[in-house]
Amino acid sequence: QQQVRQSPQSLTVWEGETAILNCSYENSAFDYFPWYQQFPGEGPALLIAIRSVSDKKEDGGFTIFFNKREKNLSLHIKDSQPGDSATYFCAASGGMGYKLTFGTGTSLLVDP
Amino acid sequence: EAAVTQSPRNKVTVTGGNVTLSCRQTNSHNYMYWYRQDTGHGLRLIHYSYGAGNLQIGDVPDGYKATRTTQEDFFLLLELASPSQTSLYFCASSARDREGSDYTFGSGTRLLVI
Repeated sequence: QQQVRQSPQSLTVWEGETAILNCSYENSAFDYFPWYQQFPGEGPALLIAIRSVSDKKEDGGFTIFFNKREKNLSLHIKDSQPGDSATYFCAASGGMGYKLTFGTGTSLLVDP
Repeated sequence: EAAVTQSPRNKVTVTGGNVTLSCRQTNSHNYMYWYRQDTGHGLRLIHYSYGAGNLQIGDVPDGYKATRTTQEDFFLLLELASPSQTSLYFCASSARDREGSDYTFGSGTRLLVI
């Protein structure tokens, strides 16, 4: 069963728009949620992360909004650029565990 | 520069063949992981290890063995490869066993089983 779900599977936005990527989870023990960015031919790389004690985390043009009660979070990419075109993975860990559970990914295309 | 290096970058083998994927990390991390990436499934954990000689079973372990020979080296073994194991494989390492441990990934090995 998929413990971390992402939507949409693919997303196209125009340059300058805000892209919104969604993630939901089932395990209430999850309390750490990193997002990874993956370019073609490369491995995923950490982009931004949030802990469940916070409801918002910003880093440059990337913002995570977290809703613990609803068990969901979203990644907002403000002023999207073609260089932001990549696959984005939401992941989660928590409790006594340290290993990450990944979602299925969202493929983002930013059209110039 | 800390890194995770995977080899080979690409591999083709026949059904029933024997394949070893290699991973070396220079991050001085305790934890190492093997994932496979498939369209529609994201990244799925095969095996992981928290130190030399240790091995833990992941979420999709069937058909795979792994061995951690040193803190730096982690190998994934497919002893009877099947077409269903055609995939993109990633190795990763992380520093600690508490929440907030971030992964460093290698560049991946693309395996084709024909």
